[in-house]
Amino acid sequence: SAVISQKPSRDICQRGTSLTIQCQVDSQVTMMFWYRQQPGQSLTLIATANQGSEATYESGFVIDKFPISRPNLTFSTLTVSNMSPEDSSIYLCSVEIASIGGYTFGSGTRLTVV
Amino acid sequence: GENVEQHPSTLSVQEGDSAVIKCTYSDSASNYFPWYKQELGKRPQLIIDIRSNVGEKKDQRIAVTLNKTAKHFSLHITETQPEDSAVYFCAAFSGNTPLVFGKGTRLSVIA
Repeated sequence: SAVISQKPSRDICQRGTSLTIQCQVDSQVTMMFWYRQQPGQSLTLIATANQGSEATYESGFVIDKFPISRPNLTFSTLTVSNMSPEDSSIYLCSVEIASIGGYTFGSGTRLTVV
Repeated sequence: GENVEQHPSTLSVQEGDSAVIKCTYSDSASNYFPWYKQELGKRPQLIIDIRSNVGEKKDQRIAVTLNKTAKHFSLHITETQPEDSAVYFCAAFSGNTPLVFGKGTRLSVIA
C-alpha cells in the first residue's frame, strides 16, 4: 500500500504567519486530499489537489487562506496563511490506495497558533 | 452532496461484550463505505470497508453490514478488548466526491 510522508509533524506558530505542510507519496496518485481535524472533531475536507490544475475547494475554504500546490503526481503542499488561533488543528493529507481502492492518511500535522 | 450521520457519539462496553456503531448516508450513488479507527494522537487507520455490491464483510472480530435500501451501514466489534478503545469514523464515497466522514464514535472498552 502507499506510504505517505507528511511534515512537519507539529508546529507552534505565531498568529499572522503562514505554515506550509508537505505531503510526499511513494507512488503516483491522481488526486490528493487535504483534511482538517479540529480538536475532538471529525475530518473535514479542505480541498482536492489535482496535478496540472487548480485545487478544488470545499465550501467554507478559500484559496487565499489555504493555497495548495501539486507540482507532480507524488507531492503536494498545503499552506495555512495569515494564521489565527482558530486554525489550530490537525491537518492531514490523504490518497487513494489503487490496489485496494481505499484511502490512507499521512501522519498529520498538529498546528498550534498562539 | 453526501451527508453521513453516525451514532452513538460515545459508547462504553465491558471487555468481551460486542459494540455496534451505526451510520446512515444520503447519496444513493455512494458505493464505498470504509471504517477508520483513530487512536489518541495518531492518524486514522482503515480497519475495514465494504462496497455496495455486498451486504456483509467480516475480518476476525470486526464485521460491517450494509443495507443499500435503507442507506445505512454498521460496524460490529465482537469480544471487545481494551485496545479497541479509540474513536471510530465511518465514511461514504460515491466516486464523484471525496470521502465524507461521520462525526465519530468514541468507544471505551472497560476492563
